[in-house]
Amino acid sequence: SQKIEQNSEALNIQEGKTATLTCNYTNYSPAYLQWYRQDPGRGPVFLLLIRENEKEKRKERLKVTFDTTLKQSLFHITASQPADSATYLCALGRDDKIIFGKGTRLHILP
Amino acid sequence: GAVVSQHPSRVICKSGTSVKIECRSLDFQATTMFWYRQFPKQSLMLMATSNEGSKATYEQGVEKDKFLINHASLTLSTLTVTSAHPEDSSFYICSARQGISYNEQFFGPGTRLTVL
Repeated sequence: SQKIEQNSEALNIQEGKTATLTCNYTNYSPAYLQWYRQDPGRGPVFLLLIRENEKEKRKERLKVTFDTTLKQSLFHITASQPADSATYLCALGRDDKIIFGKGTRLHILP
Repeated sequence: GAVVSQHPSRVICKSGTSVKIECRSLDFQATTMFWYRQFPKQSLMLMATSNEGSKATYEQGVEKDKFLINHASLTLSTLTVTSAHPEDSSFYICSARQGISYNEQFFGPGTRLTVL
Protein backbone atom coordinates (compact mmCIF):
# COMPACT_ATOMS: atom_id res chain seq x y z
CA SER A 1 0.00 0.00 0.00
CA GLN A 2 1.03 3.62 -0.45
CA LYS A 3 3.19 5.01 2.31
CA ILE A 4 4.47 8.49 3.10
CA GLU A 5 7.10 9.06 5.77
CA GLN A 6 8.16 12.42 7.08
CA ASN A 7 11.60 12.19 8.62
CA SER A 8 10.80 12.92 12.20
CA GLU A 9 7.85 13.68 14.35
CA ALA A 10 9.54 16.79 15.74
CA LEU A 11 12.52 18.91 14.80
CA ASN A 12 14.23 21.69 16.79
CA ILE A 13 16.22 24.29 14.86
CA GLN A 14 18.02 27.38 16.11
CA GLU A 15 16.64 30.68 14.84
CA GLY A 16 18.46 31.90 11.74
CA LYS A 17 19.51 28.43 10.61
CA THR A 18 18.05 26.47 7.71
CA ALA A 19 15.42 23.90 8.61
CA THR A 20 15.28 20.86 6.33
CA LEU A 21 12.33 18.49 6.40
CA THR A 22 12.22 15.20 4.52
CA CYS A 23 9.35 13.38 2.87
CA ASN A 24 9.86 9.86 1.54
CA TYR A 25 7.25 7.74 -0.18
CA THR A 26 6.83 4.20 -1.43
CA ASN A 27 4.43 2.31 -3.69
CA TYR A 28 3.24 5.49 -5.37
CA SER A 29 3.98 7.58 -8.44
CA PRO A 30 2.68 11.04 -7.72
CA ALA A 31 2.06 13.54 -10.48
CA TYR A 32 2.78 16.33 -8.03
CA LEU A 33 3.83 16.92 -4.46
CA GLN A 34 2.67 19.65 -2.12
CA TRP A 35 3.79 21.06 1.20
CA TYR A 36 1.37 22.53 3.68
CA ARG A 37 1.71 24.29 7.03
CA GLN A 38 -0.70 23.42 9.83
CA ASP A 39 -0.97 25.27 13.12
CA PRO A 40 -2.59 23.61 16.17
CA GLY A 41 -6.37 23.32 15.83
CA ARG A 42 -6.34 24.82 12.34
CA GLY A 43 -6.68 23.56 8.80
CA PRO A 44 -3.61 23.19 6.57
CA VAL A 45 -2.37 26.15 4.55
CA PHE A 46 -0.89 25.51 1.11
CA LEU A 47 2.74 26.50 0.68
CA LEU A 48 4.25 25.02 -2.48
CA LEU A 49 3.46 22.58 -5.27
CA ILE A 50 6.09 20.83 -7.38
CA ARG A 51 5.30 18.63 -10.37
CA GLU A 52 6.92 15.30 -11.21
CA ASN A 53 8.94 16.83 -14.04
CA GLU A 54 10.33 19.62 -11.84
CA LYS A 55 13.43 19.31 -9.69
CA GLU A 56 13.21 22.40 -7.53
CA LYS A 57 10.79 25.18 -6.61
CA ARG A 58 11.39 28.31 -4.58
CA LYS A 59 9.14 30.81 -2.88
CA GLU A 60 10.69 33.51 -0.74
CA ARG A 61 12.52 31.66 2.08
CA LEU A 62 11.12 28.29 1.07
CA LYS A 63 12.68 25.75 -1.26
CA VAL A 64 11.36 22.35 -2.28
CA THR A 65 13.18 19.62 -4.18
CA PHE A 66 11.58 16.56 -5.74
CA ASP A 67 13.57 13.46 -6.67
CA THR A 68 11.31 10.86 -8.27
CA THR A 69 14.18 8.36 -8.47
CA LEU A 70 14.85 8.50 -4.76
CA LYS A 71 11.11 8.99 -4.11
CA GLN A 72 11.95 11.88 -1.86
CA SER A 73 11.20 15.55 -1.37
CA LEU A 74 13.17 17.97 0.77
CA PHE A 75 11.59 21.13 2.17
CA HIS A 76 13.92 23.91 3.29
CA ILE A 77 13.18 27.05 5.28
CA THR A 78 16.14 29.41 5.23
CA ALA A 79 16.80 32.09 7.84
CA SER A 80 14.25 30.39 10.07
CA GLN A 81 12.20 32.44 12.52
CA PRO A 82 10.17 31.46 15.62
CA ALA A 83 7.03 32.29 13.60
CA ASP A 84 7.90 29.38 11.32
CA SER A 85 7.17 26.98 14.19
CA ALA A 86 4.31 24.75 13.05
CA THR A 87 3.59 21.29 11.69
CA TYR A 88 4.53 20.84 8.05
CA LEU A 89 2.67 18.29 5.96
CA CYS A 90 3.87 16.62 2.81
CA ALA A 91 1.13 15.57 0.38
CA LEU A 92 1.32 13.52 -2.79
CA GLY A 93 -1.22 13.83 -5.55
CA ARG A 94 -2.34 12.20 -8.75
CA ASP A 95 -5.55 13.22 -10.47
CA ASP A 96 -8.10 14.01 -7.82
CA LYS A 97 -6.51 12.25 -4.89
CA ILE A 98 -4.08 13.73 -2.37
CA ILE A 99 -2.44 11.61 0.30
CA PHE A 100 -0.99 13.34 3.34
CA GLY A 101 1.93 12.41 5.56
CA LYS A 102 1.66 12.67 9.34
CA GLY A 103 3.69 15.84 9.38
CA THR A 104 6.80 17.10 11.14
CA ARG A 105 6.46 19.49 14.09
CA LEU A 106 9.07 22.15 13.61
CA HIS A 107 10.21 24.26 16.56
CA ILE A 108 12.39 27.28 15.85
CA LEU A 109 14.25 28.14 19.02
CA PRO A 110 14.92 31.82 19.70
CA GLY B 1 -6.15 34.28 -1.34
CA ALA B 2 -9.21 32.07 -1.47
CA VAL B 3 -11.04 31.61 1.81
CA VAL B 4 -12.93 28.56 2.99
CA SER B 5 -15.00 28.72 6.15
CA GLN B 6 -16.43 25.97 8.32
CA HIS B 7 -19.22 26.11 10.81
CA PRO B 8 -19.30 25.31 13.63
CA SER B 9 -15.68 25.40 14.76
CA ARG B 10 -16.44 23.21 17.75
CA VAL B 11 -19.38 21.00 18.60
CA ILE B 12 -20.13 18.71 21.52
CA CYS B 13 -23.02 16.32 21.20
CA LYS B 14 -24.53 13.32 22.92
CA SER B 15 -24.07 9.84 21.56
CA GLY B 16 -26.81 8.94 19.09
CA THR B 17 -27.48 12.44 17.85
CA SER B 18 -26.67 13.84 14.40
CA VAL B 19 -24.36 16.75 13.70
CA LYS B 20 -24.15 18.86 10.56
CA ILE B 21 -20.96 20.66 9.54
CA GLU B 22 -20.99 23.33 6.83
CA CYS B 23 -18.16 24.18 4.48
CA ARG B 24 -18.30 27.33 2.36
CA SER B 25 -16.01 28.82 -0.24
CA LEU B 26 -16.36 32.53 0.37
CA ASP B 27 -14.83 34.18 -2.68
CA PHE B 28 -14.68 31.54 -5.37
CA GLN B 29 -16.76 28.78 -6.88
CA ALA B 30 -15.56 25.36 -5.85
CA THR B 31 -16.09 22.69 -8.46
CA THR B 32 -14.93 20.06 -6.02
CA MET B 33 -14.95 19.86 -2.25
CA PHE B 34 -13.21 17.31 -0.08
CA TRP B 35 -13.88 16.13 3.45
CA TYR B 36 -11.03 14.92 5.66
CA ARG B 37 -10.78 13.57 9.17
CA GLN B 38 -7.72 14.00 11.37
CA PHE B 39 -7.05 12.20 14.64
CA PRO B 40 -4.41 13.59 17.05
CA LYS B 41 -0.87 13.34 15.68
CA GLN B 42 -2.17 11.58 12.58
CA SER B 43 -2.35 12.59 8.97
CA LEU B 44 -5.43 13.93 7.27
CA MET B 45 -7.48 11.04 5.94
CA LEU B 46 -9.69 11.70 2.95
CA MET B 47 -13.25 10.64 3.63
CA ALA B 48 -15.03 11.68 0.46
CA THR B 49 -14.92 13.84 -2.63
CA SER B 50 -17.96 15.75 -3.79
CA ASN B 51 -18.73 17.61 -6.98
CA GLU B 52 -21.56 20.10 -7.10
CA GLY B 53 -24.84 18.52 -8.04
CA SER B 54 -23.67 14.92 -7.96
CA LYS B 55 -23.28 12.19 -5.38
CA ALA B 56 -20.16 12.13 -3.27
CA THR B 57 -17.47 9.53 -3.86
CA TYR B 58 -16.50 7.89 -0.58
CA GLU B 59 -13.14 6.39 0.28
CA GLN B 60 -12.89 2.74 1.19
CA GLY B 61 -13.97 2.11 4.75
CA VAL B 62 -16.05 5.28 5.08
CA GLU B 63 -19.75 4.56 5.60
CA LYS B 64 -21.80 6.70 3.25
CA ASP B 65 -24.96 6.20 5.31
CA LYS B 66 -23.22 7.47 8.42
CA PHE B 67 -21.41 10.42 6.86
CA LEU B 68 -23.92 12.15 4.62
CA ILE B 69 -22.47 14.67 2.21
CA ASN B 70 -24.49 17.22 0.29
CA HIS B 71 -22.92 19.58 -2.24
CA ALA B 72 -25.93 21.61 -3.27
CA SER B 73 -24.13 24.63 -4.70
CA LEU B 74 -20.71 25.71 -5.93
CA THR B 75 -20.04 27.41 -2.62
CA LEU B 76 -21.53 25.08 -0.02
CA SER B 77 -21.01 21.49 1.04
CA THR B 78 -22.33 19.88 4.21
CA LEU B 79 -21.23 16.82 6.15
CA THR B 80 -23.76 15.23 8.50
CA VAL B 81 -22.50 12.71 11.02
CA THR B 82 -25.55 10.59 11.77
CA SER B 83 -26.05 8.73 15.04
CA ALA B 84 -22.69 9.92 16.29
CA HIS B 85 -20.66 7.78 18.69
CA PRO B 86 -17.59 8.62 20.80
CA GLU B 87 -15.30 7.01 18.19
CA ASP B 88 -16.50 9.63 15.70
CA SER B 89 -14.87 12.33 17.83
CA SER B 90 -12.24 13.90 15.62
CA PHE B 91 -11.15 17.02 13.74
CA TYR B 92 -13.11 17.32 10.49
CA ILE B 93 -11.62 19.51 7.78
CA CYS B 94 -13.04 20.42 4.41
CA SER B 95 -11.21 21.76 1.40
CA ALA B 96 -12.33 23.31 -1.84
CA ARG B 97 -10.77 23.40 -5.26
CA GLN B 98 -11.35 25.27 -8.47
CA GLY B 99 -10.80 23.55 -11.78
CA ILE B 100 -8.20 20.92 -12.56
CA SER B 101 -6.40 18.66 -10.14
CA TYR B 102 -3.15 20.61 -10.09
CA ASN B 103 -4.90 23.55 -8.54
CA GLU B 104 -4.21 23.93 -4.87
CA GLN B 105 -6.85 22.96 -2.40
CA PHE B 106 -7.94 25.63 0.05
CA PHE B 107 -8.65 24.23 3.47
CA GLY B 108 -11.19 25.33 6.01
CA PRO B 109 -10.22 25.95 9.64
CA GLY B 110 -11.66 22.61 10.74
CA THR B 111 -14.42 21.50 13.11
CA ARG B 112 -13.64 19.77 16.38
CA LEU B 113 -16.35 17.21 17.09
CA THR B 114 -16.63 15.66 20.54
CA VAL B 115 -19.23 12.98 21.08
CA LEU B 116 -20.01 12.24 24.72
